[in-house]
Amino acid sequence: DAEITQSPRHKITETGRQVTLACHQTWNHNNMFWYRQDLGHGLRLIHYSYGVQDTNKGEVSDGYSVSRSNTEDLPLTLESAASSQTSVYFCASSEGGQETQYFGPGTRLLVL
Amino acid sequence: DQQVKQNSPSLSVQEGRISILNCDYTNSMFDYFLWYKKYPAEGPTFLISISSIKDKNEDGRFTVFLNKSAKHLSLHIVPSQPGDSAVYFCAAGGKWTDKLIFGTGTRLQVFP
Repeated sequence: DAEITQSPRHKITETGRQVTLACHQTWNHNNMFWYRQDLGHGLRLIHYSYGVQDTNKGEVSDGYSVSRSNTEDLPLTLESAASSQTSVYFCASSEGGQETQYFGPGTRLLVL
Repeated sequence: DQQVKQNSPSLSVQEGRISILNCDYTNSMFDYFLWYKKYPAEGPTFLISISSIKDKNEDGRFTVFLNKSAKHLSLHIVPSQPGDSAVYFCAAGGKWTDKLIFGTGTRLQVFP
């Protein structure tokens, strides 16, 4: 069955370290998205991609970067982790147009 | 500025009764709307959607109503079951983009 996976599921890191969160989908979807979920803020878009080599900033992109070298993967990198980036991170993918976004199980990140 | 708002952070309903979750939006260019359900430690899962050309969409126990003039949508769950206890997010999208804007979520608790 097609799916979307995220790794690691839990991560503890220290401020200033570089962290990369992985997202892998087997639906062959063109669109991939990264969100963070925080209490009182819901799901906020960090970065998104509409295809290979395409990346775009979302509403809370500062301190994060992504790259899309193939259809299946969109890794999210925190260049220099900050305590404000402690959050739950979700990856999603969609076919395009008005198609539903399918979410991964999430990565819980703690920055100490 | 929050374009999609869920003003009730929580809702408690007795099993068998109706649950009504509300969502307001500010951008009249939104073209379609979705509801997602999220259990703890899992990613959001798609529940139901509605296009702006409709005012109602039904799927089993779940019905979404759209009032474009009031820029308001609601999700009705009838009858409510304990397994419906989760956080519900509404989301909106437009013709010009594949991105979704999410609300802050409403935590529904269905008690026996």
